[in-house]
Amino acid sequence: GQNIDQPTEMTATEGAIVQINCTYQTSGFNGLFWYQQHAGEAPTFLSYNVLDGLEEKGRFSSFLSRSKGYSYLLLKELQMKDSASYLCAVPDRGSTLGRLYFGRGTQLTVWP
Amino acid sequence: DTAVSQTPKYLVTQMGNDKSIKCEQNLGHDTMYWYKQDSKKFLKIMFSYNNKELIINETVPNRFSPKSPDKAHLNLHINSLELGDSAVYFCASSQDFRQGAQPQHFGDGTRLSIL
Repeated sequence: GQNIDQPTEMTATEGAIVQINCTYQTSGFNGLFWYQQHAGEAPTFLSYNVLDGLEEKGRFSSFLSRSKGYSYLLLKELQMKDSASYLCAVPDRGSTLGRLYFGRGTQLTVWP
Repeated sequence: DTAVSQTPKYLVTQMGNDKSIKCEQNLGHDTMYWYKQDSKKFLKIMFSYNNKELIINETVPNRFSPKSPDKAHLNLHINSLELGDSAVYFCASSQDFRQGAQPQHFGDGTRLSIL
C-alpha cells in the first residue's frame, strides 16, 4: 500500500493564503491527486501532478516534489466557500493503477 | 444531467437485512468504483470494474457483492447487514486507467445507517 500523511485541520481567514501539505511514501509513483470535499457532498477533482513543480489553476495551485515525496495545495484569496476537506490521493501502479489511496483529509475552516 | 448518480441517497435499515445501492454514469467512462467513507471520513476503495470486468477487489467481506450489467452501471448488494457497515458509500467513474492515472468523478454518496 501507500502511506499518505496530511494535517487533520487548518484554519484561515477570508482573503488569506493557505498551504495544505501532503507527504507520501509509495512503492511506485504515478502522480498525485487533490480532491475537495464539502461536508455531506461528493469529493470533486481539483488537480493532478505527475511532474515536479507548481501547476496553477485560478486561485488553486498544486506543487509536487517527487524526490521529497511531498506535495502541497495552495489556496489564494480564500473565500468562505473554500471551507471543506482537502484530500490528497496517490494511485497504485501497474494493472491496479485505478486504485486510489487517499489521505485522511485536511479539514479547512475559513473564518470571516 | 447528473454525471454519476447513485440511489438511494439515504438508507436506514436493520441489522441482518439485505440491501442494494445502484449507480449509473453518463460520462462514457470505462471504469467504475465503489468506495466506503467511514465516520472518520477515511475514503477507501472497495471494488473497481472496467468494462464490466472486476479488476480491483479489496479485502471486503463477501457479504458485499458488486454487479456491473454494463459499463455505465455498477450496483452494490450487501447481505446480512452489520452495525459496522454504517458509512457513506460513494460510486465513482473514470476513463480507462490503463491509459494512465485518471481523475475519478464521484456520485453524491449513499448514507447507510444500520439500526
